[in-house]
Amino acid sequence: QTVVTQEPSLTVSPGGTVTLTCASSTGPVTSDYYPNWFQQKPGQAPRALVYSTNNKHSWTPARFSGSLLGGKAALTLSGVQPEDEAEYYCLLYYGGARVVFGGGTKLTVL
Amino acid sequence: EVQLVESGGGLVQPGGSLRLSCAASGFTFSTYWMHWVRQTPGKGLVWVSLINSDGSSTIYADSVKGRFTISRDNAKNTLYLQMNSLRAEDTAVYYCARDSRSGAICVFWGQGTLVTVSS
Repeated sequence: QTVVTQEPSLTVSPGGTVTLTCASSTGPVTSDYYPNWFQQKPGQAPRALVYSTNNKHSWTPARFSGSLLGGKAALTLSGVQPEDEAEYYCLLYYGGARVVFGGGTKLTVL
Repeated sequence: EVQLVESGGGLVQPGGSLRLSCAASGFTFSTYWMHWVRQTPGKGLVWVSLINSDGSSTIYADSVKGRFTISRDNAKNTLYLQMNSLRAEDTAVYYCARDSRSGAICVFWGQGTLVTVSS
């Protein structure tokens, strides 16, 4: 069974920078996995932020950026705002059109 | 504006069946791959199934394979999830989601519908 692992929780100060990562149990994450990132706030549906590793949607704030880092997919928030406090999920696309979400990272802005 | 509206959730007994629907509007439904994703309250997102644009190809998570069936009616702009042999662990909010351009997966989401499996 394929497992996608994220940090369970991270804390960042307002205005700070934080990097969330996404690892695959099958080995290094590459662009072939089309990493996608999502933000979810309590009581809301998820909102897509980044697709295909580092591409932003038209509504994604500039302070969010995606990359590959040390064999993992990464989402970096620069100049964190209080409204960025949320759960963040990555998604990886495997061969055979199989899709797996990571377990999520709870980001606290404190 | 892309809109996805799920319906059909509710309380069902273990072993029972339920069919979820997702009504799509604001885009050419027949063009896009669609997904079902679920989330147990307080837990993470779990991908359930996907269907390609014309309905000829479907993929399932191992946890629902053989019990759930995804389908679509492009004439009615509607996505379905037929859920049979339901178990307590299938209790979750079920979301439908739409892909966008290549590599952009589950870009647009509905508000979800709650399925509770309990006696």
